[in-house]
Amino acid sequence: KNQVEQSPQSLIILEGKNCTLQCNYTVSPFSNLRWYKQDTGRGPVSLTIMTFSENTKSNGRYTATLDADTKQSSLHITASQLSDSASYICVVNSLSGGSYIPTFGRGTSLIVHP
Amino acid sequence: DAGITQSPRHKVTETGTPVTLRCHQTENHRYMYWYRQDPGHGLRLIHYSYGVKDTDKGEVSDGYSVSRSKTEDFLLTLESATSSQTSVYFCASLSERGGTTDTQYFGPGTRLTVL
Repeated sequence: KNQVEQSPQSLIILEGKNCTLQCNYTVSPFSNLRWYKQDTGRGPVSLTIMTFSENTKSNGRYTATLDADTKQSSLHITASQLSDSASYICVVNSLSGGSYIPTFGRGTSLIVHP
Repeated sequence: DAGITQSPRHKVTETGTPVTLRCHQTENHRYMYWYRQDPGHGLRLIHYSYGVKDTDKGEVSDGYSVSRSKTEDFLLTLESATSSQTSVYFCASLSERGGTTDTQYFGPGTRLTVL
């Protein structure tokens, strides 16, 4: 069964600090991995997407890494801001039988305090 | 939320009544998905569609049915709503280019309460 595990479940940091969120997956066959940000009461919004051959992707203060050998990904947030408070979801897409099936992690809830 | 909308945004209904949620996308995406999101569970796939009239079940499909008669519309129906179906429902669409060029959008969500 395809699974995506995220850690930590929740995280509290002070504004201006950096943090790293983890994602481990057992999804096959692997197509791509995406990190989403979900603000309270809103739908998820894509931050980064990486394929098997990519090991780093940046989007402003967000940097995602992918190690396809160990099946691990991380999302690093630099110089956190209050607006970074949200849930961050790791999603691994699998193309199987002609259909795209995403497997979602449960997310990491990040709270940034002033 | 760009290119994908859901209706209604909020609904309160009674146990045993039928409910239909609508998802509309303007991206001409082939794939569409319905998820429910509950505390402690994250997003769980209910049903998905890989083309007009082509649908399949997700991990929590019991009690739900879907239909897709046009590329842009994907309907989720609760034939007889139960309190366990109280949740926030998200629709998503996905292009099929693959790799890092595919695009995926989520709708804003529908908050459904079954009394």
